[in-house]
Amino acid sequence: DAGVIQSPRHEVTEMGQEVTLRCKPISGHDYLFWYRQTMMRGLELLIYFNNNVPIDDSGMPEDRFSAKMPNASFSTLKIQPSEPRDSAVYFCASSLRGGLAFNEQFFGPGTRLTVL
Amino acid sequence: QQQVKQSPQSLIVQKGGISIINCAYENTAFDYFPWYQQFPGKGPALLIAIRPDVSEKKEGRFTISFNKSAKQFSLHIMDSQPGDSATYFCAASKGFNKFYFGSGTKLNVKP
Repeated sequence: DAGVIQSPRHEVTEMGQEVTLRCKPISGHDYLFWYRQTMMRGLELLIYFNNNVPIDDSGMPEDRFSAKMPNASFSTLKIQPSEPRDSAVYFCASSLRGGLAFNEQFFGPGTRLTVL
Repeated sequence: QQQVKQSPQSLIVQKGGISIINCAYENTAFDYFPWYQQFPGKGPALLIAIRPDVSEKKEGRFTISFNKSAKQFSLHIMDSQPGDSATYFCAASKGFNKFYFGSGTKLNVKP
């Protein structure tokens, strides 16, 4: 299995631009999580989905952030408009309820976002 | 309110020594306590995890000690190696649900 796939790996954009981050979870997994990691705030959960349905979006910082999961193999996190304080590493993770390791989340390699 | 508190923020250990990282949690309903290891430029990966029905779990050089009454758990790395240098995160969850991560500990094992 290729693991969780994220694209792009690096994104540099200017303030005010729209940014779209993409994630392909491990095939067969039914949970998908979006995290943001910064030095100041550590690893923060933004939103998670179960069977493509958003379950908890309480970590989404503001309306500029939105996430979708149109099918079981694809999710996007969109920031519009982007701001310098959005600069961070964004991780996608997936898990399978009832998998061999209870509740293990498998993380992707992350997208490093820099907003100038 | 921070659900999981982790300490220390950074740790320097000599090769062959024991690394100890501590976490404390608030919610007594938590029933799954994993430790994740993250190398620079990579995503976190599960290292070891424990359920509250046992007080200790060992996998190779890595041991979780769990104290339910004190609401604390810790990671012990025996015979620490330079290859163990990474950031370690503890976490807690209730059922099959979202994780509450600690703030992370950057471990540096000196040769």
